[in-house]
Amino acid sequence: KQEVTQIPAALSVPEGENLVLNCSFTDSAIYNLQWFRQDPGKGLTSLLLIQSSQREQTSGRLNASLDKSSGRSTLYIAASQPGDSATYLCAVGTSNTGKLIFGQGTTLQVKP
Amino acid sequence: DTGVSQDPRHKITKRGQNVTFRCDPISEHNRLYWYRQTLGQGPEFLTYFQNEAQLEKSRLLSDRFSAERPKGSFSTLEIQRTEQGDSAMYLCASSLWRGMGADTQYFGPGTRLTVL
Repeated sequence: KQEVTQIPAALSVPEGENLVLNCSFTDSAIYNLQWFRQDPGKGLTSLLLIQSSQREQTSGRLNASLDKSSGRSTLYIAASQPGDSATYLCAVGTSNTGKLIFGQGTTLQVKP
Repeated sequence: DTGVSQDPRHKITKRGQNVTFRCDPISEHNRLYWYRQTLGQGPEFLTYFQNEAQLEKSRLLSDRFSAERPKGSFSTLEIQRTEQGDSAMYLCASSLWRGMGADTQYFGPGTRLTVL
């Protein structure tokens, strides 16, 4: 059974700092991995999707990497801003059904 | 692009009552997913449709839960005889599946259910 873990559960950093969020999964046979952002009481916004054949994806200040062999993904946020404050969720797609298995999320606070 | 919409945004009901939620996906998307999220947890998969066919249901989806997507467009999720444990955020997502590769899921704002 695939399990997804995100550490730490919460993170507080000063504005401008570069940071890394971690995601680990137990079964390396994944179809894809997605990173989402969730603001309080809101739905999820897709940030990056990495297919199983890819090693990384970049969008603006965000870079996500994937290492299937070690069961890990990282989301790198450069030059953090207060507007980046949110919960970041990692989700693993286990087949072409699109079904996603989510981690519990890391709640990020960027202080001005 | 109107995005994924869900209605209602909030629902408060008494235990034992039936509730129905609606999801309108992005218009050209052929896949539609339902997830449930409780406080402090990541979303959990409930079920998904490809066009009008319901292709997978989680064991979380007890007999009290039923979902439909009658014309391959909007979907409804009904919960019968609600229990306090049903209190959660119900999220809908849609995607365009082209038969290969990965499809990004786009989420709606969710329906927050409170069962008293």
